[in-house]
Amino acid sequence: GAVVSQHPSWVICKSGTSVKIECRSLDFQATTMFWYRQFPKQSLMLMATSNEGSKATYEQGVEKDKFLINHASLTLSTLTVTSAHPEDSSFYICSAAPLSFNSNQPQHFGDGTRLSIL
Amino acid sequence: AQSVSQHNHHVILSEAASLELGCNYSYGGTVNLFWYVQYPGQHLQLLLKYFSGDPLVKGIKGFEAEFIKSKFSFNLRKPSVQWSDTAEYFCAVKPYGGATNKLIFGTGTLLAVQP
Repeated sequence: GAVVSQHPSWVICKSGTSVKIECRSLDFQATTMFWYRQFPKQSLMLMATSNEGSKATYEQGVEKDKFLINHASLTLSTLTVTSAHPEDSSFYICSAAPLSFNSNQPQHFGDGTRLSIL
Repeated sequence: AQSVSQHNHHVILSEAASLELGCNYSYGGTVNLFWYVQYPGQHLQLLLKYFSGDPLVKGIKGFEAEFIKSKFSFNLRKPSVQWSDTAEYFCAVKPYGGATNKLIFGTGTLLAVQP
């Protein structure tokens, strides 16, 4: 149980393109989803917290107009990297917390999306 | 600022050796503590967690971790590693309460177990 699916797993595109990444909780409902970014040999850095039916909460230094997050249902959150540039190339990981998220519910992680901007 | 420090970036052990991976955090309040493991080509998986009670917690696959509050540490241990334990290990801290209950990750420790 508690499977989180992330799609696509790898995307390569030209500079200036917008890229959408999907994160789905397959067997549970998630009021809260998290988007992380991981650079090589570095830690996972939280970018934003996605809340179903409301605006996402972005971490300091993350451009909300650059990284658009939509959490339209209890099983789907999307991250759109708008007008992507080479410096946006990274590994993006989502996680989801079950309904009634509290401190006793661990997050479940997707497999990640490797984004390469040429 | 809250942070998590994992001292060892890369550890190489032979099978049957004992393992201890260090994790220290900086936060003065109540925390929940986690160790996640990422096997090659797979997603992050929860290895064990501490919320309250006995500071020695046991997880899957023979792993355990001890929370020492006075040292702000949550070190991961396993008495005898196997080749299949080769993976990257991440310590994570969640400061209790607050608006987002977000996880703060350490930089990870890459463990390579030689057969």
